[in-house]
Amino acid sequence: GAVVSQHPSRVICKSGTSVKIECRSLDFQATTMFWYRQFPKQSLMLMATSNEGSKATYEQGVEKDKFLINHASLTLSTLTVTSAHPEDSSFYICSARDSEAFFGQGTRLTVV
Amino acid sequence: GENVEQHPSTLSVQEGDSAVIKCTYSDSASNYFPWYKQELGKGPQLIIDIRSNVGEKKDQRIAVTLNKTAKHFSLHITETQPEDSAVYFCAASWAGYSTLTFGKGTMLLVSP
Repeated sequence: GAVVSQHPSRVICKSGTSVKIECRSLDFQATTMFWYRQFPKQSLMLMATSNEGSKATYEQGVEKDKFLINHASLTLSTLTVTSAHPEDSSFYICSARDSEAFFGQGTRLTVV
Repeated sequence: GENVEQHPSTLSVQEGDSAVIKCTYSDSASNYFPWYKQELGKGPQLIIDIRSNVGEKKDQRIAVTLNKTAKHFSLHITETQPEDSAVYFCAASWAGYSTLTFGKGTMLLVSP
């Protein structure tokens, strides 16, 4: 099946710094990618829909200035957590669809 | 919007037994129903999916059934093995490239 590659898998950063997470679709072009956040023992929470060549669509309650999304090409979307704080620590997962929806490996972000 | 309910939240079985996880959805326009397996610290992995023009689909030990009238679909795992232990999520969407709505997940534990 199609592969979605996400990295880094783990990152630890200091409070106040920014962190970029990359999501690549390796064998298909994705005009739309999705970013999720997952808290321990909970389901996936959609944060935003990333659209190639246009602005991302954010879900209610998600700060667009804190979670910057860029979808510069048909195979790459990035999520930048700006001015990270400990409460931003979480598991972030990207997804891309052709006829099916595939997920990246996830990124464990820890803000200290 | 779509709402997906998933039961049970936890399921413990003995190795070799069958496991069944059930989901219901609310939007009759939904036509794509994937199932994902998520192991600890990893992204969800697509294990099987079904579309609304099919009532059942099978892939080795895994099968999914869909009842459009009742708006529910189920995952069946036969001859369970310890490596089947994970969290399983059902999801639903109504168009080819729209967002997925997830159930809350089922933690399956297969004891040797």
